[in-house]
Amino acid sequence: SQTIHQWPATLVQPVGSPLSLECTVEGTSNPNLYWYRQAAGRGLQLLFYSVGIGQISSEVPQNLSASRPQDRQFILSSKKLLLSDSGFYLCAWRVRGRNSPLHFGNGTRLTVT
Amino acid sequence: GENVEQHPSTLSVQEGDSAVIKCTYSDSASNYFPWYKQELGKGPQLIIDIRSNVGEKKDQRIAVTLNKTAKHFSLHITETQPEDSAVYFCAHQFLTGTASKLTFGTGTRLQVTL
Repeated sequence: SQTIHQWPATLVQPVGSPLSLECTVEGTSNPNLYWYRQAAGRGLQLLFYSVGIGQISSEVPQNLSASRPQDRQFILSSKKLLLSDSGFYLCAWRVRGRNSPLHFGNGTRLTVT
Repeated sequence: GENVEQHPSTLSVQEGDSAVIKCTYSDSASNYFPWYKQELGKGPQLIIDIRSNVGEKKDQRIAVTLNKTAKHFSLHITETQPEDSAVYFCAHQFLTGTASKLTFGTGTRLQVTL
């Protein structure tokens, strides 16, 4: 069966520090991968998605970047965090093709102080 | 064409009553409509989904209806239980470039009271 791992679960970082959140998927090949952000009490905002190694699409201009160095690995990064980067970050995957369900990890709670 | 409106934002029902959450979308090409349940501190979990070639789907106490003409779909939970308390998100899928993306509603916080 397929599983998705996201770490760390919680993170507190000072303003201006770098960020690296990692996500890996097991049990499937060539998945589409996604990073979402959820602000407190709000909906899910798509940040990045990837249809293959090295292929990244950005949805909103921001202080973050994403990379996909391996087929089942998706990384969210920042060189210098802002206070506004605080939130709940969710990695997700789905089988390629239309109408396949999206599966989420358990998220990383990021607090920038 | 990407937006989806979800109502209500909060919903409180007594245990055993039914709960209904409604979503409206604007992209007539959307063809996949999932619903997610998010418990505190966890990622959203898919609970039911429907494709555009059917009007209704049921799974035990949960059902989803789709009206493509009116561009709205609804989640129905019957005989609610305290463990149904969570935030529920609707979503719809549209195609862009080489990937299909889901756009989510803003969520409904459901509270089931004893």
